[in-house]
Amino acid sequence: GESVGLHLPTLSVQEGDNSIINCAYSNSASDYFIWYKQESGKGPQFIIDIRSNMDKRQGQRVTVLLNKTVKHLSLQIAATQPGDSAVYFCAERKGGNEKLTFGTGTRLTIIP
Amino acid sequence: DVKVTQSSRYLVKRTGEKVFLECVQDMDHENMFWYRQDPGLGLRLIYFSYDVKMKEKGDIPEGYSVSREKKERFSLILESASTNQTSMYLCASSDQTGRNTEAFFGQGTRLTVV
Repeated sequence: GESVGLHLPTLSVQEGDNSIINCAYSNSASDYFIWYKQESGKGPQFIIDIRSNMDKRQGQRVTVLLNKTVKHLSLQIAATQPGDSAVYFCAERKGGNEKLTFGTGTRLTIIP
Repeated sequence: DVKVTQSSRYLVKRTGEKVFLECVQDMDHENMFWYRQDPGLGLRLIYFSYDVKMKEKGDIPEGYSVSREKKERFSLILESASTNQTSMYLCASSDQTGRNTEAFFGQGTRLTVV
């Protein structure tokens, strides 16, 4: 069956280092892939998205890479800060459909 | 400041009760969603609505129904609550601009069924 967002469940990174969070997907019909951040006690918040015809997109301190050959998506966070501690989800939106399908999430812990 | 508001942060209900979870958004969004979040399973879509009175099943609709009588309000109904419906429930909304992928989430309702 189809799936999105097969994450490693946890990731620990030293403060100031770069973080890379990975996600695998199986559905090639998605038109957008999206990253969300969920802090403790809050709902998920949009970080950045990438259209399926792109392979890289940069935001403020974040970069998303899409490799359609191996169906892999990654989120890179530069110079990780304590406020980056959260659970990160990748999600996909299927073409022609408004539904968002989320993965299982990765908990990012920042080590001081 | 855009807002999606869920009526309760915490709820405790008994097995067999009919449970209503309410969600209101103030952004005039067409799309509204209900997800449940469980450890190790991420967010799973229960139901989705793309317009008033319109609904579409998500990945796990069994045991749930929804109501969307007004654009700003989307209700999730547990017809007869069971212990396996103990979970965190998240409501979200988004607009229908083709380019837009950003969904806005409420703070969640943690439901315990005893």
